[in-house]
Amino acid sequence: GQSLEQPSEVTAVEGAIVQINCTYQTSGFYGLSWYQQHDGGAPTFLSYNGLDGLEETGRFSSFLSRSDSYGYLLLQELQMKDSASYFCAVRDGAGGATNKLIFGTGTLLAVQP
Amino acid sequence: DTGVSQDPRHKITKRGQNVTFRCDPISEHNRLYWYRQTLGQGPEFLTYFQNEAQLEKSRLLSDRFSAERPKGSFSTLEIQRTEQGDSAMYLCASSFSASFEQFFGPGTRLTVL
Repeated sequence: GQSLEQPSEVTAVEGAIVQINCTYQTSGFYGLSWYQQHDGGAPTFLSYNGLDGLEETGRFSSFLSRSDSYGYLLLQELQMKDSASYFCAVRDGAGGATNKLIFGTGTLLAVQP
Repeated sequence: DTGVSQDPRHKITKRGQNVTFRCDPISEHNRLYWYRQTLGQGPEFLTYFQNEAQLEKSRLLSDRFSAERPKGSFSTLEIQRTEQGDSAMYLCASSFSASFEQFFGPGTRLTVL
């Protein structure tokens, strides 16, 4: 089967740093993406790792280790508006580069004052 | 607004009725995806179009579900003989062929009574 495991909830305070881990087991792997979803909103793209290593985009960074089937999203200088659900998603290109996403169960981040 | 749009935003129907949802992707995007999301879960892939061709359909999708993208622009998702288990948020996303970033619409929330 295919599965992506994430912690269900994380709580942190404003200004802090938080790391959300993701381990995956999928039949195809063409990269790991991270999406943010506010309550009632649409998922929005945050970051993508196609190769091993760290990608940095402003306050957000994402890391991938393909040998460990593991990645994480790092959020720095947390703000109240970062309170949302965060999903890791494997880009499954098996069968002709479909590019469909297989999502994890999501991590609910609560930022406290 | 040049983002992905979906219509309707909310649909309440009785068990056994047919429903149809529409998705208008970003105009330059040739790939279009449908996902389903239930409370507390990540989006689950349903089907994928490249231009007007439906290239992949999830095995989880029963024959009550059908999707079209007749001119390679907007898409419709129809559910026949709805069941209470079909209650979910139906998300549409679009992307360029070579892009790993998918742009999601606001979703259609379906409630089957």
